Amino acid sequence: LAKTTQPISMDSYEGQEVNITCSHNNIATNDYITWYQQFPSQGPRFIIQGYKTKVTNEVASLFIPADRKSSTLSLPRVSLSDTAVYYCLVGDPFGNEKLTFGTGTRLTIIP
Amino acid sequence: DTAVSQTPKYLVTQMGNDKSIKCEQNLGHDTMYWYKQDSKKFLKIMFSYNNKELIINETVPNRFSPKSPDKAHLNLHINSLELGDSAVYFCASSPLGGGHSYEQYFGPGTRLTVT
Repeated sequence: LAKTTQPISMDSYEGQEVNITCSHNNIATNDYITWYQQFPSQGPRFIIQGYKTKVTNEVASLFIPADRKSSTLSLPRVSLSDTAVYYCLVGDPFGNEKLTFGTGTRLTIIP
Repeated sequence: DTAVSQTPKYLVTQMGNDKSIKCEQNLGHDTMYWYKQDSKKFLKIMFSYNNKELIINETVPNRFSPKSPDKAHLNLHINSLELGDSAVYFCASSPLGGGHSYEQYFGPGTRLTVT
């Protein structure tokens, strides 16, 4: 399992773009990068998943450089409701490898 | 319609008791999971069930046992509850294979308090 490292916490003002970077130096060839969001008193929610380059959906974008040793989750124009913990996970989704959640990044949006 | 539901939402019980938490998913998924999130907010997988077969069983005490009566349900039974079992327990489900096993859908959680 590739270990991930994320900042423990981040603050940002409403309306700004927020980028959360995750390091995964020992990522394996078959590993994908997946991000989850967790609000207080709720279960984690899948945000986005990618293998290389860039992935975009209606919620966020995921940027993965060519060496895949890191990835950046980008949240455009955040609002107060984006205050949550964001988890970066790395592993092979085609196998039976378990999801391993780290400590995540606690993002606080300031009005 | 709720995709993954758990009951009860809150459970307060005394040490030594036996309790169950129920989980149901209406997504037609083949794999279901149980996670434990402790007071420090670490989320750890406990069990993974696929087609009614256990495929991942982390090193949890055998006081914990998953029971799957059918593909849509995965219940968690806990015997002889201990103080350290106090946590939030999340059920989740995911489609089988196809690169989706990391796209899991979580339930709202059950907060278990053992006194």
